[in-house]
Amino acid sequence: KAGVTQTPRYLIKTRGQQVTLSCSPISGHRSVSWYQQTPGQGLQFLFEYFSETQRNKGNFPGRFSGRQFSNSRSEMNVSTLELGDSALYLCASSLDSYSNQPQHFGDGTRLSIL
Amino acid sequence: GENVEQHPSTLSVQEGDSAVIKCTYSDSASNYFPWYKQELGKRPQLIIDIRSNVGEKKDQRIAVTLNKTAKHFSLHITETQPEDSAVYFCAASIETDKLIFGTGTRLQVFP
Repeated sequence: KAGVTQTPRYLIKTRGQQVTLSCSPISGHRSVSWYQQTPGQGLQFLFEYFSETQRNKGNFPGRFSGRQFSNSRSEMNVSTLELGDSALYLCASSLDSYSNQPQHFGDGTRLSIL
Repeated sequence: GENVEQHPSTLSVQEGDSAVIKCTYSDSASNYFPWYKQELGKRPQLIIDIRSNVGEKKDQRIAVTLNKTAKHFSLHITETQPEDSAVYFCAASIETDKLIFGTGTRLQVFP
């Protein structure tokens, strides 16, 4: 079974631009969560999607948004990029969002803002 | 909101020794506690998890213990090997996939 797939792996943008990251969960997994990883702040929860609905949102500004499609694939978008948005963005999937199923991570998208 | 503290931030052990990493959580409603291992440049990998209705769980050289009263849980690695060298993260959640992570422990196992 293929793991969680994130595209692209690397991305370079400039301040003020916007970016869309994609995540394909493990087949059969219906829950997708996004995390930001930085050396200073560690792993921080962004949002969680299940059945195309956002179940939880972390403490990030409205510039960070996401969505989930009917096939469980998810995208996250960051608008008006700032230097501080440089990070590794990780996606994780699990079977469902209600019974603490193990989450499995993708390799991440490394976003660099110039 | 939920907060997870993790100690120590770095841990160096000799090959064959044991390593223990401790985490404390703030929200008593937390009921799921996974541990992830992240090697340099790689994805976090789930190595073991425990639910609040269990006090201890073991998988070969790895074990996790949970003390709900004190709100802390620990990862125990026995007979450490150089390939155990990585950053280990604890996390906690309440019924959903929103994981609150600790700050990580860099484990170095010297041959």
